[in-house]
Amino acid sequence: EAQVTQNPRYLITVTGKKLTVTCSQNMNHEYMSWYRQDPGLGLRQIYYSMNVEVTDKGDVPEGYKVSRKEKRNFPLILESPSPNQTSLYFCASSLSPYPGGRYEQYFGPGTRLTVT
Amino acid sequence: LAKTTQPISMDSYEGQEVNITCSHNNIATNDYITWYQQFPSQGPRFIIQGYKTKVTNEVASLFIPADRKSSTLSLPRVSLSDTAVYYCLVGDKPDAGGTSYGKLTFGQGTILTVHP
Repeated sequence: EAQVTQNPRYLITVTGKKLTVTCSQNMNHEYMSWYRQDPGLGLRQIYYSMNVEVTDKGDVPEGYKVSRKEKRNFPLILESPSPNQTSLYFCASSLSPYPGGRYEQYFGPGTRLTVT
Repeated sequence: LAKTTQPISMDSYEGQEVNITCSHNNIATNDYITWYQQFPSQGPRFIIQGYKTKVTNEVASLFIPADRKSSTLSLPRVSLSDTAVYYCLVGDKPDAGGTSYGKLTFGQGTILTVHP
């Protein structure tokens, strides 16, 4: 089954404790992306990756890191989480973003993160 | 920076046709227009996509005028299960200094509530 998986689905942590949210897709997609969703703000892109070893900033990259060492995996790293990073996070993948969002994005189930 | 503007919320009743319009005045020549549906605590799901004129699939129609500065998602005969948030998405360009054209910007979405 074609899917995007995220782990963990729920996470409660404390300020400053490094964490990683994993994302994996089994569709051989080139493009992967992380979004955060907050009430009243819709979906905001954090980082995206066009392919292995190619990543770039979205609209809200501060406080986050990503890596793309393998095509299927795109982990999101919070090296020193803060309470303002409490949010619902979604990973997505698509064949390619070209041209202009042409290909459908497949979203993971979401990770609800709480930082106290 | 491409932006989309949608109504924040809409109300309808079962069996009615619902039209949600998205404004994207700065859409680029190569950009496609994509609509996603999101239920609470789930990732967005692709509904329909178009470039110009009209597109229809088994769940919706998408109307795009010649100037492509807006688009209208049409949901025929809605049911209670269509209550969700609907997002319009167009492609984007990176900010100055960005390296790739993979940035995608969602609008705030339209909360559609279908009443019995």
